[in-house]
Amino acid sequence: DAKTTQPPSMDCAEGRAANLPCNHSTISGNEYVYWYRQIHSQGPQYIIHGLKNNETNEMASLIITEDRKSSTLILPHATLRDTAVYYCIVNDQAGTALIFGKGTTLSVSS
Amino acid sequence: GAGVSQTPSNKVTEKGKYVELRCDPISGHTALYWYRQSLGQGPEFLIYFQGTGAADDSGLPNDRFFAVRPEGSVSTLKIQRTERGDSAVYLCASSWLAGAGELFFGEGSRLTVL
Repeated sequence: DAKTTQPPSMDCAEGRAANLPCNHSTISGNEYVYWYRQIHSQGPQYIIHGLKNNETNEMASLIITEDRKSSTLILPHATLRDTAVYYCIVNDQAGTALIFGKGTTLSVSS
Repeated sequence: GAGVSQTPSNKVTEKGKYVELRCDPISGHTALYWYRQSLGQGPEFLIYFQGTGAADDSGLPNDRFFAVRPEGSVSTLKIQRTERGDSAVYLCASSWLAGAGELFFGEGSRLTVL
């Protein structure tokens, strides 16, 4: 079973920041937080991951709370092409497979 | 190719038939994963390989499902006596090492069992 909780859907206006929350209250000390997204009819795509510190790359920023029980994925300037299902996953990198939940469907509109 | 390649992209079969789905991972990636995805659901883990051996097959739903990776590269997912409930998109992913973060997914093989 997925160890994360995400809202089923969110809306965002094009050009605005999209902030996608994720709760992972039972996360262990050695578990990372991963974010993937899946655009319709495509395979999932890696976005970003982190352990304790906030992370940023060319796609997004990941903000992890100090107690690590929740995180937020930030798309700073959402575009129509960011419409997708976003999955938040926790994993210990010890060889176990990533377990996906149902994710959040983000709809970006003009 | 540069990415994970899956064939066929679409497969329609009749109930009771045998099906093989192929995955060609990114060159040099030692870990290979199979997932399946039903409409409106997230990908469901089936099995993963580290090299030639199945490191975790706990997600295979029953003994009709089997996967191999004999040379540590291409993998084949085999489904015997297909049932209508097997209809789904079967996704393959690879990474340079199991547990090493980023998985690269293929476009999937859509299986329809009539």
